[in-house]
Amino acid sequence: KQEVTQIPAALSVPEGENLVLNCSFTDSAIYNLQWFRQDPGKGLTSLLLIQSSQREQTSGRLNASLDKSSGRSTLYIAASQPGDSATYLCAVSGGFKTIFGAGTRLFVKA
Amino acid sequence: DARVTQTPRHKVTEMGQEVTMRCQPILGHNTVFWYRQTMMQGLELLAYFRNRAPLDDSGMPKDRFSAEMPDATLATLKIQPSEPRDSAVYFCASGAGQGLEAFFGQGTRLTVV
Repeated sequence: KQEVTQIPAALSVPEGENLVLNCSFTDSAIYNLQWFRQDPGKGLTSLLLIQSSQREQTSGRLNASLDKSSGRSTLYIAASQPGDSATYLCAVSGGFKTIFGAGTRLFVKA
Repeated sequence: DARVTQTPRHKVTEMGQEVTMRCQPILGHNTVFWYRQTMMQGLELLAYFRNRAPLDDSGMPKDRFSAEMPDATLATLKIQPSEPRDSAVYFCASGAGQGLEAFFGQGTRLTVV
């Protein structure tokens, strides 16, 4: 049974810092890994999708890496801004199921 | 503007009442997911469909929950009878196929009193 763990559970940083969010999963037989952002009271917004054959994806200040063999992914946020404050969720897809981690709640202080 | 549409956005109901939540997946997407999000449990997969056929609903309490896709443009999640512990945000997501990106609706916030 796939289990997805995200560390840290919460993170508070000053504006401008570079930061790394971690996601680990127990079953490496995955199709893809997706990073989402969720603002309070809102739905989920897809940030980056990494297929199982890929090692990383980049979008603007975001970079996500995937190491299937070790069951890990990281989301790197460069030059963080207050607008980045949100909960970041990683989701692992295998077969037709997508399993989510509990998320990392990020607060970027101005 | 392709997006997943969920209705209603908010629902408050009394215990024992029937609740129906609706989802319109993105046109052309053949995979639909229902998730429930609570503070305690996070996001839990309740059911998913491919080409309108239910592939797995093992995450759903069978005695009171049911999920259907009457046609390719509509997915429904029904709770009968509802209980206070069903209070949560229910998300629908759709995708174009296995291994492809999933897109989420804004959710239905259900409160059962």
